[in-house]
Amino acid sequence: GAGVSQSPSNKVTEKGKDVELRCDPISGHTALYWYRQSLGQGLEFLIYFQGNSAPDKSGLPSDRFSAERTGGSVSTLTIQRTQQEDSAVYLCASSTAGSFNNEQFFGPGTRLTVL
Amino acid sequence: GQNIDQPTEMTATEGAIVQINCTYQTSGFNGLFWYQQHAGEAPTFLSYNVLDGLEEKGRFSSFLSRSKGYSYLLLKELQMKDSASYLCAVSTSTSGTYKYIFGTGTRLKVLA
Repeated sequence: GAGVSQSPSNKVTEKGKDVELRCDPISGHTALYWYRQSLGQGLEFLIYFQGNSAPDKSGLPSDRFSAERTGGSVSTLTIQRTQQEDSAVYLCASSTAGSFNNEQFFGPGTRLTVL
Repeated sequence: GQNIDQPTEMTATEGAIVQINCTYQTSGFNGLFWYQQHAGEAPTFLSYNVLDGLEEKGRFSSFLSRSKGYSYLLLKELQMKDSASYLCAVSTSTSGTYKYIFGTGTRLKVLA
């Protein structure tokens, strides 16, 4: 596609429910990143995928968060037993390589609200 | 620890020049990025510095001093559409593990 796409654009859920957020990176980009941005805050790095290598999960805030990337393309971020503090915009980005020296292209984000 | 500092807010006048500073303390420095983020939108790439000095791109320039852990973004001939948050981000690598650390951003307001 022309750019990084994410779905849904908005998600409202009840505390304790599981949610899945999807990211479609730019075709041909091997690196994919997930970030979280709380209101008025900077971006918090969550997880990074590079090709078929094991992901760097060091930024995940708790074991309720997990992510996978199927076929080196689409990625899903899953949050189990959501809490109100999980409310934020979740941004996905992709780049041509994973050395973190490349420009990252961001998707429009998914705004998650946990009631 | 790893830390990036930027001013929270700045105000400038249309047509003026503004300099947004960023200081960082990180290990394994791999490069510094500036991104622009309009309210409610995703960040978009502005510049990348890995060597000391000034990189110029149209109305925007970015400077890096690695020894001082310091960068600035210079915006010339300010336009109303430049009102946005400007995020400083540092790429780090330690023992083969890469990280991308963002500052909290500087909210720039351009006044007519």
